[in-house]
Amino acid sequence: KQEVTQIPAALSVPEGENLVLNCSFTDSAIYNLQWFRQDPGKGLTSLLLIQSSQREQTSGRLNASLDKSSGRSTLYIAASQPGDSATYLCAVGLNNAGNMLTFGGGTRLMVKP
Amino acid sequence: KAGVTQTPRYLIKTRGQQVTLSCSPISGHRSVSWYQQTPGQGLQFLFEYFSETQRNKGNFPGRFSGRQFSNSRSEMNVSTLELGDSALYLCASSLTGTERHRQETQYFGPGTRLLVL
Repeated sequence: KQEVTQIPAALSVPEGENLVLNCSFTDSAIYNLQWFRQDPGKGLTSLLLIQSSQREQTSGRLNASLDKSSGRSTLYIAASQPGDSATYLCAVGLNNAGNMLTFGGGTRLMVKP
Repeated sequence: KAGVTQTPRYLIKTRGQQVTLSCSPISGHRSVSWYQQTPGQGLQFLFEYFSETQRNKGNFPGRFSGRQFSNSRSEMNVSTLELGDSALYLCASSLTGTERHRQETQYFGPGTRLLVL
């Protein structure tokens, strides 16, 4: 059974800092890995999707990496801003499992002005 | 292009009642997945529908059921509600989710917040 863990569970940083969020998964037979953002009481917004054959994806100040063999992914946020404050979730899709995603518990990020 | 819409947004029910939630995917998307989000268990997969057929099912009791219509809109039903069913129910849509579409992103709706008293 796939298990996804995110560390840390919460993080508070001053504005402008670069930061790294971590995600680990137990089953390396993944289809893809996605990073989402969730604002309080809201749905999820997709940030980055990495296919199983890829090593990283970039979008603006965000960079996500994937190391399937070690079961790890990181989300790097450069020059953090107060608007980045949210919960960040990683989710993995398994081969032959359609669109079913297994989510980590999330990292709650607070960026202080 | 309109996003994923879910109705109703908020719902209050009492134990023992049943509830039906609705999800309209992005136009052209044929796959709809449902998730339950609670503070204790996080986000958990309920089921996925594709072309009116249930393609995958999570580990939830039979009180949770769903269906998909020919226009890809989906409904989920929870019968005999329990206090522990209080949660944010999210649906997500994507084009197909097949091996040929490995770049697909799932798009989530705003959710339906269900409170069971």
